[in-house]
Amino acid sequence: AQSVTQLGSHVSVSEGALVLLRCNYSSSVPPYLFWYVQYPNQGLQLLLKYTSAATLVKGINGFEAEFKKSETSFHLTKPSAHMSDAAEYFCATYTGRRALTFGSGTRLQVQP
Amino acid sequence: NAGVTQTPKFQVLKTGQSMTLQCAQDMNHNSMYWYRQDPGMGLRLIYYSASEGTTDKGEVPNGYNVSRLNKREFSLRLESAAPSQTSVYFCASSERGGGGNTEAFFGQGTRLTVV
Repeated sequence: AQSVTQLGSHVSVSEGALVLLRCNYSSSVPPYLFWYVQYPNQGLQLLLKYTSAATLVKGINGFEAEFKKSETSFHLTKPSAHMSDAAEYFCATYTGRRALTFGSGTRLQVQP
Repeated sequence: NAGVTQTPKFQVLKTGQSMTLQCAQDMNHNSMYWYRQDPGMGLRLIYYSASEGTTDKGEVPNGYNVSRLNKREFSLRLESAAPSQTSVYFCASSERGGGGNTEAFFGQGTRLTVV
């Protein structure tokens, strides 16, 4: 069973609109959470990671995520979507296997 | 800066054929991983190697074998390919034994089709 759950396999927004991609984690996972992005036909690259130093984490390309323990969530946001943000986004955490476990992914589409 | 390099990038196999996917990293990382990516299922761990000389099964190891040849290289072998192994395969590496806040770095992937 996965330790992180992504809600919504596809999200479509207009250029300039708010981006919100949802990730919930199981309460048993360690408090280390990651967001990765995958552009078409490429590997994954790290957007940001939560390490318990601060609940609001800023990443690359204007993305940020807020760790909310009360809601067991780590949602990814960006105030204003750009066409170049179209990609697939994965939430991830480490499990007892000491390897990253991924959510099922959310494909973000940005409409002009 | 090469990072994680996978070869080949594309491959078509016939059912029953064998092949080895190669992966090498130049970041002096201890841990290496093999994942497969299928639509709607995210990335699933096949095997991983926490350090040179050790390997462990992941979530979907059946039909695969691995070799941690040295600290740099971690190969994935399909002994008798099946159509269910059609997928995109990613190799990754991380600095320490994995876990905590250690970032994993990914290769560009190998797109494998088994007909």
